[in-house]
Amino acid sequence: DAKTTQPNSMESNEEEPVHLPCNHSTISGTDYIHWYRQLPSQGPEYVIHGLTSNVNNRMASLAIAEDRKSSTLILHRATLRDAAVYYCILGDYRDDKIIFGKGTRLHILP
Amino acid sequence: DSGVTQTPKHLITATGQRVTLRCSPRSGDLSVYWYQQSLDQGLQFLIQYYNGEERAKGNILERFSAQQFPDLHSELNLSSLELGDSALYFCASSLHPAAGTYNEQFFGPGTRLTVL
Repeated sequence: DAKTTQPNSMESNEEEPVHLPCNHSTISGTDYIHWYRQLPSQGPEYVIHGLTSNVNNRMASLAIAEDRKSSTLILHRATLRDAAVYYCILGDYRDDKIIFGKGTRLHILP
Repeated sequence: DSGVTQTPKHLITATGQRVTLRCSPRSGDLSVYWYQQSLDQGLQFLIQYYNGEERAKGNILERFSAQQFPDLHSELNLSSLELGDSALYFCASSLHPAAGTYNEQFFGPGTRLTVL
């Protein structure tokens, strides 16, 4: 499975935008880029996914580099509730299982 | 609330014992996945079932087994338990695996297993 590289941790202030980077230089043409997050004491939850184009949903935006070797998850206005571990994952659309890495622990400062 | 339920919430047992963890997927979901989360290994995919059949296998030990029943609930059986099996076990479900379409996974709240 193709690997992703994320910073171990990041900090951001409440009510400010957050940009979470992810590098995936060995991405293949059939790999989706998924983001999940895990709030404290909860199971992971889906955030967003994309293949080639930038994507927006009610939770976040996903900006994908033109060469697809990196992507950025954007939380437009962080709240304290967004403090979590964010996982950037590559997954072949023909294969449903998720291989989690270590993720980025996001701290939100009030 | 993801719609995925797991029981029990907590389980404490001794080494050498056998336990069964239960998962009920979201209504309508045909695929069930099991993951193990420990402090040193992070979140690891164990096994996936789709409509009663095993579909994918990850880092699942031979001491562990799973099945999915006709009503689509799933059970993860852990036997000959060791101290290192202490972890959070998550179940997830998704609609169905279909090439070319995306299926997000919905995770349950987890079962915390402590082996003493």
